[in-house]
Amino acid sequence: EPEVTQTPSHQVTQMGQEVILRCVPISNHLYFYWYRQILGQKVEFLVSFYNNEISEKSEIFDDQFSVERPDGSNFTLKIRSTKLEDSAMYFCASSEAHRYSGSSYNEQFFGPGTRLTVL
Amino acid sequence: GDSVTQMEGPVTLSEEAFLTINCTYTATGYPSLFWYVQYPGEGLQLLLKATKADDKGSNKGFEATYRKETTSFHLEKGSVQVSDSAVYFCALLYNQGGKLIFGQGTELSVKP
Repeated sequence: EPEVTQTPSHQVTQMGQEVILRCVPISNHLYFYWYRQILGQKVEFLVSFYNNEISEKSEIFDDQFSVERPDGSNFTLKIRSTKLEDSAMYFCASSEAHRYSGSSYNEQFFGPGTRLTVL
Repeated sequence: GDSVTQMEGPVTLSEEAFLTINCTYTATGYPSLFWYVQYPGEGLQLLLKATKADDKGSNKGFEATYRKETTSFHLEKGSVQVSDSAVYFCALLYNQGGKLIFGQGTELSVKP
């Protein structure tokens, strides 16, 4: 069964360093998302991406964050200069359709997450 | 703004007990509602969904009914198993927005 994969499973970095989190969405999906979950808190939406551009982003997704689909299969989240408060579990998701349309609906399939620890 | 509130965990039950995890939402429109489950070490998996008022979603013995009058989408299962131990997330989604809004998650632990 197709699945979303993410690498690495755990990333440890020093404050101020750049990190790139990688995701491989399901191959025929067109919409891609990043969410994060700070320990003990809610899963929060960061950004959605379609047709090589950002569809929507949250207040959390400031200039320190960027997303890219560099090669048609990977979907990356870059944090330019990490802060302590960026420590969280980051989930990638993908979906086949953005809008409910008759027989299809916008189920988002999630990867297992990358745990980012900023020291 | 839109939000989802779930009952606090952890919830600890014995095998074959009845499960209810409460979920209420605040929304300005008519969202779709979802329950996701996260097993240890895995990603979020869709458990069930309902796209309009009075719809009942069901899967693997779990059920939830979209109640517009009480803005609720409580998750129930008649007889839980040890393998149901996981974290359960209630979420809402506006079709035109595409972003899921999650509750805080409820950890369920089922003892033999």
